[in-house]
Formats: sequence, structure tokens, C-alpha cells
Amino acid sequence: EADIYQTPRYLVIGTGKKITLECSQTMGHDKMYWYQQDPGMELHLIHYSYGVNSTEKGDLSSESTVSRIRTEHFPLTLESARPSHTSQYLCASSEIGKEAFFGQGTRLTVV
Amino acid sequence: AQTVTQSQPEMSVQEAETVTLSCTYDTSESDYYLFWYKQPPSRQMILVIRQEAYKQQNATENRFSVNFQKAAKSFSLKISDSQLGDAAMYFCAYKYGGSQGNLIFGKGTKLSVKP
Repeated sequence: EADIYQTPRYLVIGTGKKITLECSQTMGHDKMYWYQQDPGMELHLIHYSYGVNSTEKGDLSSESTVSRIRTEHFPLTLESARPSHTSQYLCASSEIGKEAFFGQGTRLTVV
Repeated sequence: AQTVTQSQPEMSVQEAETVTLSCTYDTSESDYYLFWYKQPPSRQMILVIRQEAYKQQNATENRFSVNFQKAAKSFSLKISDSQLGDAAMYFCAYKYGGSQGNLIFGKGTKLSVKP
């Protein structure tokens, strides 16, 4: 079944650690996104990609980085996690011009 | 720049009743899409309904329907026969129809359903 997967679902990590949040989709979508969302709050676009080797920064400035080496994979990396990075991170994908499908999210806590 | 405004941070409805969630948007484009997404507590964001701007007919999906007023730039969601499982955050979203378009979300409306 076509879907979009995020791992891990929950992550508690110490300050200064490097982390990578994984996102994979099986729908063959070219466009992928990362949103940051505090619980019960609005979504902020932090990164997006039009396809392989394409990465763009979103509306909200973020210290994270992304890569797109394969169509189906769009990982997000924080080189040195800080408590201010504590949030939920949502990955999504879409066909160009169509609605986005979301993963279940990764809830990150930096202590 | 495009913006999406949801003026109701919270709404409440009695089970089996009807509720309408409001959304307005601002754009100078003529080719775009509008969406309502539902995010239950600690669960995945899912698409409820979509509307293409070029279609005059309001979209309907079972108990969910929209009132799309293009001139007024209004896109409200009506939930009929509300169920306990409808309780969630509801986000209105806009997307420019071209390849450059990203989803722009409103701040959301938290819907509670009372038994």
C-alpha cells in the first residue's frame, strides 16, 4: 500500500547530539516537504524539494538540513540538537500541484 | 504573498449536530487549490476535502462539504451529523496550482464534539 513513513515516531535526545529524522514515501511523488509544528499549533514549512538533488528552504528559518538523493527518501538532519529544536516534525509528499500526504510525524524532545 | 486565515481557534458541537468552520484566504492567483485537513490528537494529518478554484461546484465528501465563495475568498467547511471521531484540529490550506506552489496552512481550529 502506498504511504509515507517517518521514523522514529518519538525521540528524546541530549543537547549537542546529531540526529537524522527519516522520511520515505512509496507513492513516487516528486515533491516532498518538512513542516515543524508545536503541539496543537500551526504548521511551518522548513524545507521542500522538487525532486532528486533539489532542496529549498521554507518560510521558517531552521538550523536543520535536508538531502534528496533518491526520489523516495528525504531525511532531515540536525548537526547539534538544542532544546529550542523540541517540536513535532511532519514530512509530506505530493505530486506537483496536488494535495500533500503526511507521515505520522516525529516528536522530538531535546533535553 | 498568499495567506490563510482561520478566525475560530476553537469550536464545539453537539454530537449529531452540524458545525461550520471558517476560512478565508488572500491570493492574486487564479489557478489554485484549497484543502481542509484533519489532525486528530497524536495522529496523522489526513485530507478531508479538496476544492479546485476553477470549479464552481462545491466539493462534498460524505458528511463533509464546503462553501467556496471565490469572489469573497472564503472556503468554509461544514460537518453534518457530527460524530465523536470528528474531534480534531482542522487546518485550512491553500496551494498555488503551478509547480512552484507549496501548501500554506491556517492556524487551525480545534473542534470538540460533545456526546
